[in-house]
Amino acid sequence: DVKVTQSSRYLVKRTGEKVFLECVQDMDHENMFWYRQDPGLGLRLIYFSYDVKMKEKGDIPEGYSVSREKKERFSLILESASTNQTSMYLCASSPYRGWTEAFFGQGTRLTVV
Amino acid sequence: QKEVEQNSGPLSVPEGAIASLNCTYSDRGSQSFFWYRQYSGKSPELIMFIYSNGDKEDGRFTAQLNKASQYVSLLIRDSQPSDSATYLCAVSSLGGGYNKLIFGAGTRLAVHP
Repeated sequence: DVKVTQSSRYLVKRTGEKVFLECVQDMDHENMFWYRQDPGLGLRLIYFSYDVKMKEKGDIPEGYSVSREKKERFSLILESASTNQTSMYLCASSPYRGWTEAFFGQGTRLTVV
Repeated sequence: QKEVEQNSGPLSVPEGAIASLNCTYSDRGSQSFFWYRQYSGKSPELIMFIYSNGDKEDGRFTAQLNKASQYVSLLIRDSQPSDSATYLCAVSSLGGGYNKLIFGAGTRLAVHP
């Protein structure tokens, strides 16, 4: 089975802090994605990556950056956390570029106070 | 902005009935369509995907696709209380040379005994 693991299930951070969310997949998938999920808004794509050191902006990249130094690991960085970034963050991976069946991690619920 | 629309629900059906979940999408060039199930507090899990017009059956689930009408649906036969969850429709959309999964906000299904 594909396993996508997010480093934390719950996080509480203060406004202005730099926050790192880590995601690791164990199936040698090329593609990795970061989404946030908010009630009534569904899943919104923040950033995605199709290869090591490659990144593409999704629909809501403002306030976020990403890093993919190794194929199995995709990190989401909140440069200066704000209360409107309180959300559920979901990492996903999929096998290769033309196939977008995505496997999700367990999610990180981030609260910014 | 390419969109995927779903009725938020809740859709309430009695145990044993057929639940019908619907989704429309705006990008006429979309090629792949996915249904995810998400239990409360959990991450989405893939239950079906469909690429061609018509029906695709898997156990109690049937996905239906009509590309001309830009419409995809999920039927759940013999609904069980364990089917109570939020169902997310996702559409593969080509943008900037890459395929991205665009999600709807989800339909909450409640199956009552």
